[in-house]
Amino acid sequence: GENVEQHPSTLSVQEGDSAVIKCTYSDSASNYFPWYKQELGKGPQLIIDIRSNVGEKKDQRIAVTLNKTAKHFSLHITETQPEDSAVYFCAASPAGYSTLTFGKGTMLLVSP
Amino acid sequence: DTEVTQTPKHLVMGMTNKKSLKCEQHMGHRAMYWYKQKAKKPPELMFVYSYEKLSINESVPSRFSPECPNSSLLNLHLHALQPEDSALYLCASSREAVTSTDTQYFGPGTRLTVL
Repeated sequence: GENVEQHPSTLSVQEGDSAVIKCTYSDSASNYFPWYKQELGKGPQLIIDIRSNVGEKKDQRIAVTLNKTAKHFSLHITETQPEDSAVYFCAASPAGYSTLTFGKGTMLLVSP
Repeated sequence: DTEVTQTPKHLVMGMTNKKSLKCEQHMGHRAMYWYKQKAKKPPELMFVYSYEKLSINESVPSRFSPECPNSSLLNLHLHALQPEDSALYLCASSREAVTSTDTQYFGPGTRLTVL
């Protein structure tokens, strides 16, 4: 089955800095890669996703890049703000199915 | 609108109690999911319903009993739980579960404490 590794487990940055979280996956059949943000006491919220026919996708301060050959994808947050502080999960989904395999999560702390 | 609602927000129950968690979506999605999430861990898939039929059961103990009365509603019936079952229970939905890869939208969760 699919295995998703996520690094780092904790990331501390100063407000205004950029943050990068990286994930690798094992199953070459995976073709959908969402990123979720989870604030304390809340459910995961989709922030951006990418499909394997695309190499990069951007939405304001958030971008995701995908390298299918190397089987890794990354989340980039620019101009971080304290409200970006949360746990971020990457996930992978195989072609034709909507089931998700999650990474272990990254706790992002943005200090003012 | 990508809202999934869950009730109750919090639930405390004894090991001999019977209780139910409820989940609702009005996005016309035909796939619904139950996840269990322990502190500082990712969500762990429990059940998947596709077109109101159970399609995946991830070897969940029988003290958890899912039910999908219609395409908008998903219940999780709880009976004779153990303290280690205390967790955040998340519901999610997607347009489909099989035949295509669709985005899952999560509800806010029910925080369950078993005494």
